[in-house]
Amino acid sequence: ETGVTQTPRHLVMGMTNKKSLKCEQHLGHNAMYWYKQSAKKPLELMFVYNFKEQTENNSVPSRFSPECPNSSHLFLHLHTLQPEDSALYLCASSQDPLAGGPETQYFGPGTRLLVL
Amino acid sequence: GQNIDQPTEMTATEGAIVQINCTYQTSGFNGLFWYQQHAGEAPTFLSYNVLDGLEEKGRFSSFLSRSKGYSYLLLKELQMKDSASYLCAVMDSNYQLIWGAGTKLIIKP
Repeated sequence: ETGVTQTPRHLVMGMTNKKSLKCEQHLGHNAMYWYKQSAKKPLELMFVYNFKEQTENNSVPSRFSPECPNSSHLFLHLHTLQPEDSALYLCASSQDPLAGGPETQYFGPGTRLLVL
Repeated sequence: GQNIDQPTEMTATEGAIVQINCTYQTSGFNGLFWYQQHAGEAPTFLSYNVLDGLEEKGRFSSFLSRSKGYSYLLLKELQMKDSASYLCAVMDSNYQLIWGAGTKLIIKP
């Protein structure tokens, strides 16, 4: 496979469930990102990992827990979510964003999450 | 605060030209990106501008004026497949992308 892949593509969960979203990048990048995309709103950056280290957490509630075991894989663990967490969750990757110049981010297709 | 503004929705006719504007106010500037996103799909990179002027890439061109905090994406010879949302994003001084809400472009035959 090439590019950035995400699984599952669609997820329905109750507020008491625990689930995980998976992202994998095949581009040889060092940085990975989680974004939340809600209808008619700008993409919201949630977490950034650079060389497996978390470099950004944009005040995301603790019911979202990221994990980055290596530079190619990124997970988002979900527990006790709320209905307002329903959205499209996008993963992206790039070269090192702090290497001395802006780097283009490449996105996966996203996981459409519905919390009941 | 940081802000990116772009129109919510635009309509254009197949074969015509459309210009999607983006204005921004950010903490620092390390370039402006345009992405295309079809419904239910990943945003895909279209263009990057860091210097003033026009960058042309086939049917798509992107313009930047840093002094005015302004960019536009110009789409020529519109095709039905160009129906999508177009996202404007500015990279700030911390190399983080600040995103607009996107412009939904509807192409009519």
